[in-house]
Formats: sequence, structure tokens, C-alpha cells
Amino acid sequence: DQQVKQNSPSLSVQEGRISILNCDYTNSMFDYFLWYKKYPAEGPTFLISISSIKDKNEDGRFTVFLNKSAKHLSLHIVPSQPGDSAVYFCAASLNNDMRFGAGTRLTVKP
Amino acid sequence: EPEVTQTPSHQVTQMGQEVILRCVPISNHLYFYWYRQILGQKVEFLVSFYNNEISEKSEIFDDQFSVERPDGSNFTLKIRSTKLEDSAMYFCASSEPRQVVGTEAFFGQGTRLTVV
Repeated sequence: DQQVKQNSPSLSVQEGRISILNCDYTNSMFDYFLWYKKYPAEGPTFLISISSIKDKNEDGRFTVFLNKSAKHLSLHIVPSQPGDSAVYFCAASLNNDMRFGAGTRLTVKP
Repeated sequence: EPEVTQTPSHQVTQMGQEVILRCVPISNHLYFYWYRQILGQKVEFLVSFYNNEISEKSEIFDDQFSVERPDGSNFTLKIRSTKLEDSAMYFCASSEPRQVVGTEAFFGQGTRLTVV
């Protein structure tokens, strides 16, 4: 079941710079997309989401972009902070059922 | 702040034994989920549950797995005869009923299952 893909297992950025995490999906029926952040030994915590009727949603330093024609979404974090270092999971939802990507480990270096 | 709680935090069991993982979802939520994450791998969907029945399940969720909401507050995952490859972190999640658009699911801290 590879309906949601995060092709970059890791990303390293400098503090203050922009982090861009990418996600692709295959099922055009997904209508709600979410990003979760996960620290070791904890459950995923919700970060930001976007409905399929929108192409951008912004919340503070976090912005999610959705390109439905390309079946692609991205999470921008700017400026990146060391506390943002975590594994970020993209998720896509249809009828309240979510499918997760494999995750991207973000490391923000001071 | 309401949260999803899972017990136990760590369960060690012998291969072939039955285990029950317990979850208390957020009280006004109506959708419940189990996910698992094998060490170093992706978070995998197991099953979703709504209105006292399974709404969807993945290919991982075979006859060895079952879910139950025995008393209106707990949500349990049972593995009848555990295998070594069942060793993983199991996450329970719950969400509010979907309105016009989707809603986020809230996750518990997870139960680490180790099958020896």
C-alpha cells in the first residue's frame, strides 16, 4: 500500500533557513491532507492540514501547499529552528481513514 | 487538554501468546484507529472503527487481529497468536466525526510490543 510517498528519508537544514518536505500521493480521491510531527518514543502529533479544495494553508512558520494536478503536497517551515528536528509524516485522508507516508527525518542544525 | 491514552507502554510476550493492547480515546470522538510502526519503518494503517464496527482494514489486519470497544470507553486491539514480526510500536488514534472537511486524528503515546 504505497498510496502516500515521501521519497526523502532525511533532510538537513541550517537554523534560520527554509525546510521543504515533500509528499506525493496516488489516490486522487483523497480529500484531506495532513502533516504530523513525531518525536522518538511519542505518538505522531498533528501539525497542519489542508483540504483538497485549497492550494495553500499557513499557520505561523508552517505552510502546506497542495498541487492536486501533480498529486503533490509540501510542507514549508520558515525559519527553521533546532526544535523542529523530528520525523515528519505526510498523511492523506478519505472518509476519515488516513494513510501515512514513510516519514522524513528533519535535522535543523544550529 | 484531552488526550488518547494507551496501556501498557511496553508489552513483552512470547511467540504464540495472545496480547491485548488497550486504548482510551478522547471522549467525544467517534472514529478510532490502530496504526503500527515497526522500528525504523513507516507508520502503517491497521484498522479504522466507527459505529461499533470496522470501517476499513489493511492487508496487515488478518484473522489474527481483532478490535473491540467493550464498554463504550476502551478500544482494544487483540492479537491472537503473536509472531516475531508483530514486534512494533502500536498507536491508537481517535478523531471527531467528519464535518464538511476532514479532521485530524489524535494519537496516543503508543504501546511497544516485543515478541520473543
